[in-house]
Amino acid sequence: AQKVTQAQTEISVVEKEDVTLDCVYETRDTTYYLFWYKQPPSGELVFLIRRNSFDEQNEISGRYSWNFQKSTSSFNFTITASQVVDSAVYFCALSEASGGRRALTFGSGTRLQVQP
Amino acid sequence: GAGVSQSPRYKVAKRGQDVALRCDPISGHVSLFWYQQALGQGPEFLTYFQNEAQLDKSGLPSDRFFAERPEGSVSTLKIQRTQQEDSAVYLCASSLGQGPSYEQYFGPGTRLTVT
Repeated sequence: AQKVTQAQTEISVVEKEDVTLDCVYETRDTTYYLFWYKQPPSGELVFLIRRNSFDEQNEISGRYSWNFQKSTSSFNFTITASQVVDSAVYFCALSEASGGRRALTFGSGTRLQVQP
Repeated sequence: GAGVSQSPRYKVAKRGQDVALRCDPISGHVSLFWYQQALGQGPEFLTYFQNEAQLDKSGLPSDRFFAERPEGSVSTLKIQRTQQEDSAVYLCASSLGQGPSYEQYFGPGTRLTVT
């Protein structure tokens, strides 16, 4: 069965620090998709990125970057020069291609607090 | 364009009451999902629709939970004889396609409190 682990429950940083959020996943599928979502205090989950299992290229989008390593089953998320507006709960999620299952399996989330 | 909307945003029910939660997905989105999010946890899958067909209801915790999407658009999640353990945020999500690669877009959720 699939599983997503976010071992960091809460991280607190000061503005402008870099911060990395860890995500480790388990799946038996060879084809799968990994996602990151942001949940600000308003509560609505916001899609950030999707990666497929065949593409291990790292991705950068502005201050955000993602490091996908199949060898360690990890899909970590780094925020460079953090800002107060980055304060939120961040979720890593997994979906598998086989079996017709379309649901996302989420980790328990990492709460990021960025202090001014 | 409009995102996923859910109503009501907040619902307080007395134990034993029935509740109905509504989801309006993004127009044209084929897939619709319901998730339950307990405080401090990640969302957990309840059920999935492809158009009007309920293809996966493996996450529904009991037969008190029932979902429908009769015309392939709006969906309703119904909980009968609510219990305190049903207190949670219920999230609806929709995606454009039917494959696992499509990102899901979430609504703001309905916070259900059972007293």
